[in-house]
Amino acid sequence: AQKVTQAQTEISVVEKEDVTLDCVYETRDTTYYLFWYKQPPSGELVFLIRRNSFDEQNEISGRYSWNFQKSTSSFNFTITASQVVDSAVYFCALYMVQGAQKLVFGQGTRLTINP
Amino acid sequence: NAGVMQNPRHLVRRRGQEARLRCSPMKGHSHVYWYRQLPEEGLKFMVYLQKENIIDESGMPKERFSAEFPKEGPSILRIQQVVRGDSAAYFCASSPPGVGLGEQYFGPGTRLTVT
Repeated sequence: AQKVTQAQTEISVVEKEDVTLDCVYETRDTTYYLFWYKQPPSGELVFLIRRNSFDEQNEISGRYSWNFQKSTSSFNFTITASQVVDSAVYFCALYMVQGAQKLVFGQGTRLTINP
Repeated sequence: NAGVMQNPRHLVRRRGQEARLRCSPMKGHSHVYWYRQLPEEGLKFMVYLQKENIIDESGMPKERFSAEFPKEGPSILRIQQVVRGDSAAYFCASSPPGVGLGEQYFGPGTRLTVT
């Protein structure tokens, strides 16, 4: 069975701190994609990144970076120099190429950045 | 190119009434997915449809819920005889035809409140 675990339910930091959101996944498939989405207070889902299972290179986009480690089945997300606008719920999700074409989401991490 | 459209954005129903949620996929997209987000939880897959076909409804409750994606017009998620536990945000996503790469584009969601 496929599963995504985001063990951190809530994180609260002060502005400008760095923060890492953890994501651990389970799948027996060898080909899959991993995603991160942001859900701001307005409620919509904002796509952040997609990573395929064969590409373990870390990715950096501005203040955002992602660390994919297949050996530990983790796909962690780091925000550097956090800002109040980063406050949101963040979801990690898994997509298997073979079989059911659906996204399996983690429970989400509520991130609060305090000024 | 308009994104995925969902309407209404907010829907209030009394217990026992019917709720109809509409989703218009992005232009050129023939695959539609419905997800449900209960309060303080992650998104859970409900159903995957292609035009005039239900491909995977493994996440749909067995009773009162149905979905369709007709040849013409939007996809409809129908909930009959709503109960308080149906209160949630319902997200629709669409993807282009072909082998899935997990590219699901999400609509803004419909927030259903059952009173």
